[in-house]
Amino acid sequence: GNSVTQMEGPVTLSEEAFLTINCTYTATGYPSLFWYVQYPGEGLQLLLKATKADDKGSNKGFEATYRKETTSFHLEKGSVQVSDSAVYFCALSASGTASKLTFGTGTRLQVTL
Amino acid sequence: NAGVMQNPRHLVRRRGQEARLRCSPVKGHSHVYWYRQLPEEGLKFMVYLQKENIIDESGMPKERFSAEFPKEGPSILRIQQVVRGDSAAYFCASSPSRDRNTEAFFGQGTRLTVV
Repeated sequence: GNSVTQMEGPVTLSEEAFLTINCTYTATGYPSLFWYVQYPGEGLQLLLKATKADDKGSNKGFEATYRKETTSFHLEKGSVQVSDSAVYFCALSASGTASKLTFGTGTRLQVTL
Repeated sequence: NAGVMQNPRHLVRRRGQEARLRCSPVKGHSHVYWYRQLPEEGLKFMVYLQKENIIDESGMPKERFSAEFPKEGPSILRIQQVVRGDSAAYFCASSPSRDRNTEAFFGQGTRLTVV
């Protein structure tokens, strides 16, 4: 079946530090890959996506590249801000499943001054 | 342009009672998904509905849980005879099409607590 594995949190960083959150996946066919962010008390918001191999998704300084050879979609940001503190979810949508998403367990990011 | 609206935001039920969770999708969206988030876990797919039809209910528990999305009105997730293990956050998402690359918009969730 389909699955997503992401690094355990919490991740604590100082403001302006470099961020990497690892995500690997298992899926049949060619899935689409997503990163969602959940701020405290809120629902999930789409952060970025990539729909085919070697695509790079980017938004708000975050980026992730769809690596088929390593089945990975790691999230990176060059300089985090306190306002980036949230839970980040990696997810995939497999072929033929509409917007049915398979999520990782989430990684909590805490950014301090 | 209202997003996905879920209510109530918080729901407390005693064991054995019924819980009804409502979801109004983004205006014009006819595809609705329900997910459950257990404490410290990711979201798990429960059911996918299109107006008046259940398309995929592979993630729904076989008993006590049901979902509908009528022609008029919100989508409803219904849990009968709740148990403590049903305590979770339930999220609804909507999208305008079946295209898997289309963004799914999420509501703020309903946090169900069974006491």
